[in-house]
Amino acid sequence: QQQVKQSPQSLIVQKGGISIINCAYENTAFDYFPWYQQFPGKGPALLIAIRPDVSEKKEGRFTISFNKSAKQFSLHIMDSQPGDSATYFCAASRRGAQKLVFGQGTRLTINP
Amino acid sequence: DVKVTQSSRYLVKRTGEKVFLECVQDMDHENMFWYRQDPGLGLRLIYFSYDVKMKEKGDIPEGYSVSREKKERFSLILESASTNQTSMYLCASSSRTSGSMHEQFFGPGTRLTVL
Repeated sequence: QQQVKQSPQSLIVQKGGISIINCAYENTAFDYFPWYQQFPGKGPALLIAIRPDVSEKKEGRFTISFNKSAKQFSLHIMDSQPGDSATYFCAASRRGAQKLVFGQGTRLTINP
Repeated sequence: DVKVTQSSRYLVKRTGEKVFLECVQDMDHENMFWYRQDPGLGLRLIYFSYDVKMKEKGDIPEGYSVSREKKERFSLILESASTNQTSMYLCASSSRTSGSMHEQFFGPGTRLTVL
């Protein structure tokens, strides 16, 4: 049973456009929502994370939007660049838990 | 700078062979994890260890076992490899301290092919 559902599975965006990746979760006990970025041949690395006490977190061109009532969160990449081409994973965890539950991943391609 | 290393980048084994995947981290992290990554399925947790000699099953432990004899080293064992275990295997580690938000640091992965 997939506790975190991620969409789309793949996404192609033109350079300078906005990339949007969405995730939905089921467990209302989740209270930490990170996004990981993985380049080919590398392991995933933490990109940005949010807790549900805020509705948005921005770091440079990357923004997480969080909707607690809908149990959804999304990653927005503004002014997308070819160097952003990677696989992105959303994840979630419960307070006090050491484990993360990952989404299915989105392969993002930014066309120059 | 946190470093997680995995013993092999690519591995080819025969069905029925016993396979060992090794992972070492250099940041004195309490937690270590083994995931497998398959297209469309994301990262699925195989096993998790929160201390030396301690282990906990993840979502897909069948066909796998683990060993953690030292804090820095976490091994994944395929007792009798099968073709459906062909996959990318990722090791990760994290600190249990409260301020870390449990960020996981990943190794580069081992691509295992079972023929």
